[in-house]
Amino acid sequence: NAGVTQTPKFRVLKTGQSMTLLCAQDMNHEYMYWYRQDPGMGLRLIHYSVGEGTTAKGEVPDGYNVSRLKKQNFLLGLESAAPSQTSVYFCASSYILAGVGEQYFGPGTRLTVT
Amino acid sequence: GENVEQHPSTLSVQEGDSAVIKCTYSDSASNYFPWYKQELGKGPQLIIDIRSNVGEKKDQRIAVTLNKTAKHFSLHITETQPEDSAVYFCAASTYSGAGSYQLTFGKGTKLSVIP
Repeated sequence: NAGVTQTPKFRVLKTGQSMTLLCAQDMNHEYMYWYRQDPGMGLRLIHYSVGEGTTAKGEVPDGYNVSRLKKQNFLLGLESAAPSQTSVYFCASSYILAGVGEQYFGPGTRLTVT
Repeated sequence: GENVEQHPSTLSVQEGDSAVIKCTYSDSASNYFPWYKQELGKGPQLIIDIRSNVGEKKDQRIAVTLNKTAKHFSLHITETQPEDSAVYFCAASTYSGAGSYQLTFGKGTKLSVIP
């Protein structure tokens, strides 16, 4: 099993450009998440999904959109990139039972917006 | 919403010594508290977790304690080794409605084990 994979690993964008980050998991998990990680800020939840066709906002959703058309994939889109979106983005997936479930993280995507 | 505070932000210990990282949370309804280890250039990985009906859990050199009354939990690493050097995150799981749960993370502790 590959676990959670993310594409691409690195990307440089100019302000105003758009891009999509792809996350894929092969563990048949219902839940998927997108986080951003900034120095000294820990991991902050952007959007999440509790199943195919569902999405919900997390702590910092502004400027991002997501889609979960297939259970194994969760896409994060930036329609008009801003320098404030320079960050490392992590995707995660989990099963949930009674509020408990290990989140499995991907290797991350380092995004720089100039 | 849930707020998780983590201390210290950096910690240096001599190899063989113990390391303790502490976290507090605000939502008394939180029921699951995992700890993640993140090595340089990698995603976080779960190392140990504890549920709210348990006070302490051990796994070899790693232990976690939970005080629900005080709303704090701690990670203890004994006999530290250089490979324990990493950033450690605590988290708390809270119900966010419609059958879904979220993890709120602390800001992390950078642990350095000096050989």
